[in-house]
Formats: sequence, structure tokens, C-alpha cells
Amino acid sequence: QQQVKQSPQSLIVQKGGISIINCAYENTAFDYFPWYQQFPGKGPALLIAIRPDVSEKKEGRFTISFNKSAKQFSLHIMDSQPGDSATYFCAASTEDNFNKFYFGSGTKLNVKP
Amino acid sequence: DTGVSQNPRHKITKRGQNVTFRCDPISEHNRLYWYRQTLGQGPEFLTYFQNEAQLEKSRLLSDRFSAERPKGSFSTLEIQRTEQGDSAMYLCASSLLGSSYNEQFFGPGTRLTVL
Repeated sequence: QQQVKQSPQSLIVQKGGISIINCAYENTAFDYFPWYQQFPGKGPALLIAIRPDVSEKKEGRFTISFNKSAKQFSLHIMDSQPGDSATYFCAASTEDNFNKFYFGSGTKLNVKP
Repeated sequence: DTGVSQNPRHKITKRGQNVTFRCDPISEHNRLYWYRQTLGQGPEFLTYFQNEAQLEKSRLLSDRFSAERPKGSFSTLEIQRTEQGDSAMYLCASSLLGSSYNEQFFGPGTRLTVL
């Protein structure tokens, strides 16, 4: 079964709007939660990541919100731009095995000009 | 370009044939990973190497799959007797032991189509 569930599958946002992608997990041993961005024809690239000891992490227009009790985390893209159009994957791993990442199924974001 | 490179980028083969993919990691990276990504899904872990040692293999990696990393540099992934279900994007990633949270850098992938 999928260890990390991601929604929505696709998202259309107007330029300047806020894009929100959600992920949920069951394994309470997960200790590290990265988000990857993938453009067509390219491999995924690390965008931003969070540990569960903080509830929020912000880097530029990208923010991760983390709710440990609900076992959910989300990516917010503020002031979304057409250049943000890509597929976004959440992932999770455990501290004793940072080598093994469990990825969500991906969200295809389309930011309309 | 000093990123992870993969060859070939695309491979079309007939069912039953053997195929081999190559991954060249970032030069100083001692860890190397293989993932499989099917359409509409996230990458799924297949296996990883630390230097030349293969330390973990997923149950997804059937007996028809074999991966090597001779001398701890490039890696190859071979699929024997390919099946249509093997059609996917095969991604390679590398990381440096001791780096922050083991950040993995991905290559562009090899897209395999089995007819």
C-alpha cells in the first residue's frame, strides 16, 4: 500500500494565486519530509524539506506546513508563477534509513498566466 | 555538466529482450540509488549502493533485475527477459554520505518501452 498519499492529482491556479498540495502518512517513524519538483524530461529536484520538530518552514515563495498529530503536511506556493508549472512530489523517510524515500503519487500544477 | 547522467534516455525493446541502463553519479558522491517511476506515480525505490556494495534491494526488484556498481563509480541496471510491465522511467540518484538529510540528486531518467 502507498506509504504517502498525495492530493490533488492535478491543480490549476491563476498567476499570483496560492497553490496548495497536501500529503498524509501513516508511519509515525517517518522523520524527514522533502518536497521534490519535476519538470518534463527531467529528474525530480529537491525543493524544500522539513523535520517534524517544527510546524512550518519557509523558503522564498515555498512553505511547508506540518501537522504531526494529524500526520499531514502540505506545500504552499505563494504568488504562483507560470514557471512553477511542474509535477510536485512529497516524500518521507525515517531517521534510521534516510536512504529510502517513499514518494507520493505526484501533483501536476499548471499556473495560468 | 556535473550532475547525474543516465544513458540511454530512451529505450524501446521487444518483450523477452535484455536491456541495460547506465548511470554516472556526481563524481564525489558515494551513494547511488535506482528508482522506477510509472506514469502518474511517484518514484519507487529499487536499490541502493554505498560505494560498490549493494546495501538494500526492494521486493520490486525481481530476479530478472540486477544492478552493479563496479569500483564504486558508475552503475548499471540490467533487466533480463523484459515484460510489458517493465515499461517505466528508471531514475538514478546519488548522494554524499554525511550530507544534510542525505539529499539525493536525480538524473533525467531512462524511459523504457517494452513492446
